[in-house]
Amino acid sequence: DQQVKQNSPSLSVQEGRISILNCDYTNSMFDYFLWYKKYPAEGPTFLISISSIKDKNEDGRFTVFLNKSAKHLSLHIVPSQPGDSAVYFCAASDGKLVFGAGTILRVKS
Amino acid sequence: EAGVAQSPRYKIIEKRQSVAFWCNPISGHATLYWYQQILGQGPKLLIQFQNNGVVDDSQLPKDRFSAERLKGVDSTLKIQPAKLEDSAVYLCASSPLMGLDEKLFFGSGTQLSVL
Repeated sequence: DQQVKQNSPSLSVQEGRISILNCDYTNSMFDYFLWYKKYPAEGPTFLISISSIKDKNEDGRFTVFLNKSAKHLSLHIVPSQPGDSAVYFCAASDGKLVFGAGTILRVKS
Repeated sequence: EAGVAQSPRYKIIEKRQSVAFWCNPISGHATLYWYQQILGQGPKLLIQFQNNGVVDDSQLPKDRFSAERLKGVDSTLKIQPAKLEDSAVYLCASSPLMGLDEKLFFGSGTQLSVL
């Protein structure tokens, strides 16, 4: 039972363009959402988060949007840089953190 | 600030053998987690400690997996006996608080291959 789904296994984007990573969830009790980034041979690192009382949170080039009615969140990276190439995990919490399977982002220079 | 330390980095064993992983969390972090990440999947929580007490071990296969956190600092995760499906990366994470908005700090993980 996948409560957090990242339906795109991979995404390829040109440097300077926007990257949009998507995440869907099924548990309506989730009220805190996070994105983690993972480079090869390293552990995931926290990137950005959003509470369910908000619909947008911005941190530099990274913006997370939350649509509670659709149970959908997305991460926008603008502009995308080659160093952003990594695996991005969406995670949701109702007191217990549940991770999606991840999306591999490749930013081409 | 030193990060979460894990060892060994890699481990290859045969099925039915035993294996142990070690984790040293960030100094002062009260909460410690062990996650299992199978290839192509997201990290799955195995066990969560608050200081040296277990908060959640509902997804830990207790017939073969065990974990302890003595003195509320370091932790070890053991598998005995290992099965082929235990091949995965085992991630340790820590956080200063236990709550809804905690951000976890992960170690680099131990990659286990069971042959």
